[in-house]
Amino acid sequence: QKEVEQDPGPLSVPEGAIVSLNCTYSNSAFQYFMWYRQYSRKGPELLMYTYSSGNKEDGRFTAQVDKSSKYISLFIRDSQPSDSATYLCAPGPGAGSYQLTFGKGTKLSVIP
Amino acid sequence: EAGVVQSPRYKIIEKKQPVAFWCNPISGHNTLYWYRQNLGQGPELLIRYENEEAVDDSQLPKDRFSAERLKGVDSTLKIQPAELGDSAVYLCASSLAGRGDTQYFGPGTRLTVL
Repeated sequence: QKEVEQDPGPLSVPEGAIVSLNCTYSNSAFQYFMWYRQYSRKGPELLMYTYSSGNKEDGRFTAQVDKSSKYISLFIRDSQPSDSATYLCAPGPGAGSYQLTFGKGTKLSVIP
Repeated sequence: EAGVVQSPRYKIIEKKQPVAFWCNPISGHNTLYWYRQNLGQGPELLIRYENEEAVDDSQLPKDRFSAERLKGVDSTLKIQPAELGDSAVYLCASSLAGRGDTQYFGPGTRLTVL
């Protein structure tokens, strides 16, 4: 079993839809949970991060972590064509580790 | 503020040839990372530097890959000789400190080995 599992998609939704992106992980030591967004031909950029379990909201984006089930979610409300990108979950540096463990990424297309 | 700069952006070489990638991190960032991203996959760490010291190179294929960060600023990643399986995007990232700090990525170098 890979440390981080993420459905690669692709996922195509109409503009204005609510998008749900998900990851599961296996390492109980993970403490930080990050979402990166990667546009085509660009490097990943940090979108949001949460520490431990719970929700975090930033504008149209909500990150959710359930450590008991090792499940990470990113919700996008009122999706826009500019949200079209690949979204990578990355459980962050756990205890004693500096290494991000990226999922494969989910490619999202928001159709106008 | 300038972001992480990488060059070249694209490189096409024949197998068995050497290749080098260059990275200039964000000013003041002590930690520098090199990642490899295969098509349809997430980035995988190759090596991490704290200033000029390579503190984690466990995932670097040392038979053909080498890296250096002289003076703790710019860094170069080299492959010699390149193999077909090395075709990927090589990403450089930097952060203020290693643990828990945001990593800022460059645009990457897309390598194609023929």
